[in-house]
Amino acid sequence: GQQLNQSPQSMFIQEGEDVSMNCTSSSIFNTWLWYKQDPGEGPVLLIALYKAGELTSNGRLTAQFGTTRKDSFLNISASIPSDVGIYFCAGQLYRGNMLTFGGGTRLMVKP
Amino acid sequence: DTAVSQTPKYLVTQMGNDKSIKCEQNLGHDTMYWYKQDSKKFLKIMFSYNNKELIINETVPNRFSPKSPDKAHLNLHINSLELGDSAVYFCASSQDRGGTSSYNEQFFGPGTRLTVL
Repeated sequence: GQQLNQSPQSMFIQEGEDVSMNCTSSSIFNTWLWYKQDPGEGPVLLIALYKAGELTSNGRLTAQFGTTRKDSFLNISASIPSDVGIYFCAGQLYRGNMLTFGGGTRLMVKP
Repeated sequence: DTAVSQTPKYLVTQMGNDKSIKCEQNLGHDTMYWYKQDSKKFLKIMFSYNNKELIINETVPNRFSPKSPDKAHLNLHINSLELGDSAVYFCASSQDRGGTSSYNEQFFGPGTRLTVL
C-alpha cells in the first residue's frame, strides 16, 4: 500500500522560530492534507491542498502541494507555545478514498 | 454540543473479552470512519461506512466489526481482545458533497484509549 514518510519525527524549538516539516510518498496523491493533534484530542484539519504546485496559507501556516504530487511541506512561522502538538500529513488519491497518514511530527515549543 | 463524540474515553479490559466503543456525530454527515492510532502515533484507517457501503481496510482482523444502528452512529465491536489491540481508537465523520470537488473534511472525535491487559 501507499506509504507516507514524514520528517522530522520531532522538533524542539524556541518560541518565535520558524518550523518546516515535510511529507513524501512512494506514489502520487491528488489531495494533500495537514492535520494537527493536540494531546488527548483527535486530529483537526489545518490546510487542504488540491492541485500540484498549490501554495496555501492559514494564518502563520503555509503548505505546498509538490509538483510531482508525491510530496508536501508545512511551514509554521513565528511559533508560539500553543503550536505544540503532533502534525500529520495525509494523502487522498480520489475523493471518497480512504486517507493515508504520515507518521507525524511532534512539535515542542520552548517559551 | 460536541460534533463527534465517543464513549468511553478510557477502556481497560482483559485479553479475550469482547468490548464495544460507541461513536455519535451530530453534524448530519453521511459517512463515518474508525481509525486506530498505535503507541508510535501512527494513524491507520480501519473502516469507512455510509448508507451505501462499508469499506474495510484489508489489514483489519475480522474480530473488529463496525455496526451502525442509524446514520448518526457507528459503533466498533471487538471480539476476543488481544494485547496488540491496545491503542487509541478515533471515530470520524464527513459529508459527501458530491460532484468532482475536493476533499470532504473529516471531523474526528476525541478518541478512546483501549488498554488490554
